[in-house]
This record gives sequence, structure tokens and C-alpha cells, in this order.
Amino acid sequence: LAKTTQPISMDSYEGQEVNITCSHNNIATNDYITWYQQFPSQGPRFIIQGYKTKVTNEVASLFIPADRKSSTLSLPRVSLSDTAVYYCLVGAAWGAGSYQLTFGKGTKLSVIP
Amino acid sequence: DTEVTQTPKHLVMGMTNKKSLKCEQHMGHRAMYWYKQKAKKPPELMFVYSYEKLSINESVPSRFSPECPNSSLLNLHLHALQPEDSALYLCASSQFGGPTEAFFGQGTRLTVV
Repeated sequence: LAKTTQPISMDSYEGQEVNITCSHNNIATNDYITWYQQFPSQGPRFIIQGYKTKVTNEVASLFIPADRKSSTLSLPRVSLSDTAVYYCLVGAAWGAGSYQLTFGKGTKLSVIP
Repeated sequence: DTEVTQTPKHLVMGMTNKKSLKCEQHMGHRAMYWYKQKAKKPPELMFVYSYEKLSINESVPSRFSPECPNSSLLNLHLHALQPEDSALYLCASSQFGGPTEAFFGQGTRLTVV
């Protein structure tokens, strides 16, 4: 199983860009990298997924270097409503025949006014 | 409709009780999952149903029994639970992205007394 490591917590001011890095040194060839956001007493919400290079959607960007041993979630211009726990997940996508999923321990992001 | 609905939202049960958690999705997803999440920990995958067939996580005790009546419904039957089974139980579903790109319900907060 890929072991993932991410910072326990981060603070940021409103309007700033936030980058959260996850390390996954033994990521497997079939593994994708996915980020989820979770608010208290709610289920995680899918943010973004990637395999390599850069992926961007309407809420975030995901940067994955060529060796894929780390990934960085970038949240542009955060607001107070972005205060949440962010999980990095490494695991095989559909069809790989594996359900080996490794969630990171989560990064608690606190956005300060 | 992009929701996964779980009922009940809260459940308190004794160690000799039998209860069931229910999950429903109407997104046409063909895979559904049960996760367990303890406080301040990441979700742990318990069971996966793919096209209504079960893939079992071997570390799940037999006091947890999943059931998939059809592609939209997922149940988790609980019997003879222990206080350490108290947790947030999350249901999720996915289509082509597999277990790493899933929509989660809000969860059932279970307390075993």
C-alpha cells in the first residue's frame, strides 16, 4: 500500500492561494491521486483527481511531478468557507482489480479573516 | 440528482440490538461502498459492491453484514456491535472513476451503548 503523508494543519488568510502537499513515495503504477474536502459531520466531497502533470477544474489545481512521489493541491483565493479537512487519497482507479486505498491523515485548513 | 442519501442520520443501539443502515443513490452509479470513520481519522473502506456483486474487505468483522438489493440501494446490517464500533458510517457511490472518485453521503453517526 502506498503510504501518504500530509501536514496536520495549515492556516491561511482569506484571498490567499493555499498549497497542500502530499507525499506518497511508494505509489504504484496503477494508482491515481485524489483529493477530498470534508466539513464536520459531513461526508467527504471529491475535489480533484490526477495521474501525472497538472489537472485543473473550477475549484482547484493538482500538480503531480514526473516521479509521482508527491502531489500538491492548490486552492486559489481561499475564503472562510474553505475551512475544512483535506484528504489526499492514493489508490487504483476502476478496472485495476484492486481496492487498496490509502487516505492521508488529513490536513485541517483554517482560513482566517 | 447528484446525492447519496443515508438514513438514519443518527443511531444509538445497544450491544444486543440488530439495526440496519440504508443508503440510496439515483445517479446510475454501478458501484457502492461502505466506509467507517472514527473521530479525527480518515475514512476506512469496509465493503465494495460492483454491479451488485460484493468485494469484501477482509478485516471487517462479521457483525457487519452488507446487502445490495439493487444498483441504487445499499444496506449495512448491524448485529452484536461493540462500543468501539461507534463511528460515522459513510456510504459512497461511483461510476467509472472507481473507489477513488466517489460521491459520499452525509453519513450515519452510530453510537453503541
